[in-house]
Amino acid sequence: DGGITQSPKYLFRKEGQNVTLSCEQNLNHDAMYWYRQDPGQGLRLIYYSQIVNDFQKGDIAEGYSVSREKKESFPLTVTSAQKNPTAFYLCASSGTGGTREQYFGPGTRLTVT
Amino acid sequence: KNEVEQSPQNLTAQEGEFITINCSYSVGISALHWLQQHPGGGIVSLFMLSSGKKKHGRLIATINIQEKHSSLHITASHPRDSAVYICAPWSGGSNYKLTFGKGTLLTVNP
Repeated sequence: DGGITQSPKYLFRKEGQNVTLSCEQNLNHDAMYWYRQDPGQGLRLIYYSQIVNDFQKGDIAEGYSVSREKKESFPLTVTSAQKNPTAFYLCASSGTGGTREQYFGPGTRLTVT
Repeated sequence: KNEVEQSPQNLTAQEGEFITINCSYSVGISALHWLQQHPGGGIVSLFMLSSGKKKHGRLIATINIQEKHSSLHITASHPRDSAVYICAPWSGGSNYKLTFGKGTLLTVNP
């Protein structure tokens, strides 16, 4: 049963703390992505990775960091430098050929108070 | 200005009605995603199309690359179709980025 898992579904943190969001896929996809969704806005790309040990900044990378040590895993750390971390975070993956159709995980809703 | 415009932003329908959601974009693309997001937040890919028309069950997606326009149709709508529908064009080539519309909130009443 292939897919993308994100955990946890809901996450609460105090301001000033770093927090890491998990994303795992068993679709054998080379590319993985992190998006942020805020009310009334379209999804915005935070980081993406086309291959293990390589990643690129997206449109809103400031205050975030990622790693890609394994093909299956692409964790996102929301650092204390991120000014407005409360949001819904979505992970996706895709192949690197053809239309690169992206498959999405269920998301993690992060609340920072 | 958002490069991707969806209309309408909100749509309320009665069960059984035919639904059309439109997507216009301003840049040249190779293909376009239609995505469905349910209230729980998870996103499901409905279609990825680069030309013509695709059909899956009661869902039909069409695209006109030259006119920079795509439509998503739902026939015989059902309350379980209630969701946000998002179009996301892809410019193609080595570019991995999608550009996302803000979504159309569809509510189908019984």
